[in-house]
Amino acid sequence: NAGVMQNPRHLVRRRGQEARLRCSPMKGHSHVYWYRQLPEEGLKFMVYLQKENIIDESGMPKERFSAEFPKEGPSILRIQQVVRGDSAAYFCASSTSLQGTEAFFGQGTRLTVV
Amino acid sequence: KQEVTQIPAALSVPEGENLVLNCSFTDSAIYNLQWFRQDPGKGLTSLLLIQSSQREQTSGRLNASLDKSSGRSTLYIAASQPGDSATYLCVRLRDSNYQLIWGAGTKLIIKP
Repeated sequence: NAGVMQNPRHLVRRRGQEARLRCSPMKGHSHVYWYRQLPEEGLKFMVYLQKENIIDESGMPKERFSAEFPKEGPSILRIQQVVRGDSAAYFCASSTSLQGTEAFFGQGTRLTVV
Repeated sequence: KQEVTQIPAALSVPEGENLVLNCSFTDSAIYNLQWFRQDPGKGLTSLLLIQSSQREQTSGRLNASLDKSSGRSTLYIAASQPGDSATYLCVRLRDSNYQLIWGAGTKLIIKP
């Protein structure tokens, strides 16, 4: 079991470009969560997805950000028209459907907007 | 508003010392609590998970305790080593499991 895989590990985008962050959950996990960590701050919840469904996106900015978890393939966090304030580490976690289980995190994608 | 507070924000100790990191939370309706470490520029490594029905968990030189009545968790590190230098994060899992409430972390430096 390769664990939660995120790619790319580092991503540099110019202002106005699009950033696409990918997350492949652990085998057997159908729940995916995205978190953002701004410099010198803790992690903030963004969105919780199950296969083909967004369960809770209360932490996601209303504009420019979107997330999906298709039936096949990884979960994608998409940021359109990036701005410097989007520079952060974006972490993905996965879990089984059972409550009380551990949250397993990927290594994160560090987005730098120049 | 549920919050998780970690004290101290930073800690520097000589190698070999035993140390305690503290985590407190405002909402006693905790479900689980998990400790992570984060190395500079890297991802998160899960250290210990304490389920709501448990009081402590141990892994090697690490011991984490949970006291729901006082709203506190502690991470005890025995015989600290330079490799323990990292930021330690305390995470409270709400009953819905996905709403993780994070502390800001304790930055630990172990001096050789």
